[in-house]
Amino acid sequence: QKEVEQDPGPLSVPEGAIVSLNCTYSNSAFQYFMWYRQYSRKGPELLMYTYSSGNKEDGRFTAQVDKSSKYISLFIRDSQPSDSATYLCAMSGFSGGYNKLIFGAGTRLAVHP
Amino acid sequence: GAGVSQSPRYKVAKRGQDVALRCDPISGHVSLFWYQQALGQGPEFLTYFQNEAQLDKSGLPSDRFFAERPEGSVSTLKIQRTQQEDSAVYLCASSFLIMNTEAFFGQGTRLTVV
Repeated sequence: QKEVEQDPGPLSVPEGAIVSLNCTYSNSAFQYFMWYRQYSRKGPELLMYTYSSGNKEDGRFTAQVDKSSKYISLFIRDSQPSDSATYLCAMSGFSGGYNKLIFGAGTRLAVHP
Repeated sequence: GAGVSQSPRYKVAKRGQDVALRCDPISGHVSLFWYQQALGQGPEFLTYFQNEAQLDKSGLPSDRFFAERPEGSVSTLKIQRTQQEDSAVYLCASSFLIMNTEAFFGQGTRLTVV
């Protein structure tokens, strides 16, 4: 079993829809939870990060962490075709004192006009 | 440069050939990571440098993989006697401080072993 599980999709939604992306994890030591967006043939770029449990909002994006359930989510409101990409969850416990990221497999999202 | 730069962008190697992949991190960034991303998968950690010191190489798949960062800036990932299972995108990431949560990724080198 992988430390981080993420449904690879693909997920196809119409423009304007609310998108929900999720990951589960098994390692209780994870403290930092991140969402990266990766366009085709590009490197991942950080969208949001959350420390420990709670919610964080940034424009159309909301990240939620529930450490008791070992479950994290990313919500995208009013989705746009430009949001079409692979979304990767990533986690870190800063074990060893540095930010070693453990990624999910990524969920491919397609937003169609 | 403005971001993390990796070269070459694409590399085709014959099985058994040695390859060297280069990463130019953002200037002044202390931390440098290498990740391997297989098709349809998330990146997997290979190795970590803090300045010129390689502090973690636990993710390197075999002794055919070797990484260095001799002057604490540019890093090279070398793969000897490439095998088909080495085909993947190799990503480099850097961050300014050791405890930074944000790591900036390069565009990756896509290695295809034929």
